[in-house]
Amino acid sequence: NAGVTQTPKFRVLKTGQSMTLLCAQDMNHEYMYWYRQDPGMGLRLIHYSVGEGTTAKGEVPDGYNVSRLKKQNFLLGLESAAPSQTSVYFCASSYSPDRGETQYFGPGTRLLVL
Amino acid sequence: AQRVTQPEKLLSVFKGAPVELKCNYSYSGSPELFWYVQYSRQRLQLLLRHISRESIKGFTADLNKGETSFHLKKPFAQEEDSAMYYCALDMDSNYQLIWGAGTKLIIKP
Repeated sequence: NAGVTQTPKFRVLKTGQSMTLLCAQDMNHEYMYWYRQDPGMGLRLIHYSVGEGTTAKGEVPDGYNVSRLKKQNFLLGLESAAPSQTSVYFCASSYSPDRGETQYFGPGTRLLVL
Repeated sequence: AQRVTQPEKLLSVFKGAPVELKCNYSYSGSPELFWYVQYSRQRLQLLLRHISRESIKGFTADLNKGETSFHLKKPFAQEEDSAMYYCALDMDSNYQLIWGAGTKLIIKP
């Protein structure tokens, strides 16, 4: 099993450009999450999904959109990239959102917005 | 506001010495806490969780509600313990984990 995979691994954008980050998991998990990590800070939740076709906002959703058309995929979109969105993006999934449940992480996508 | 603080950005100890990575939290409800670890060139993964009261790779962590802490300890550090360690807080009725900024642990030979 590949677990959680993320595409691409690294991307450079110009301000105003758009892009989509793809997260895929092969563990049949219901719950998926997108985080961003900035230098010197902990991970912050952008959006999450509790199942196919459902998404919800996390702590820092502004400037991002997401879609979960298939259970195994969770897409993160930047419609008009800004330098403040330069960050490392992590996708995670879990079997359930129950307290104590493990989240499984992807390798991360490093995004630089110029 | 809910918060997780890891006061040390970097902790360097010699092999065989005891290790303690500090984690303090701010949360008025009943906390559920985790330690996640990221080894070099590997992805973030769960190390241990409070609810399981387990010892993983020789590490233990005890929840101290009085001091609002969940420090990670190991009596004898090994070189393979070198990694980034993150403490995370799971709040009641919320899908969101609150993460600390992480501590980089370096074990010197």
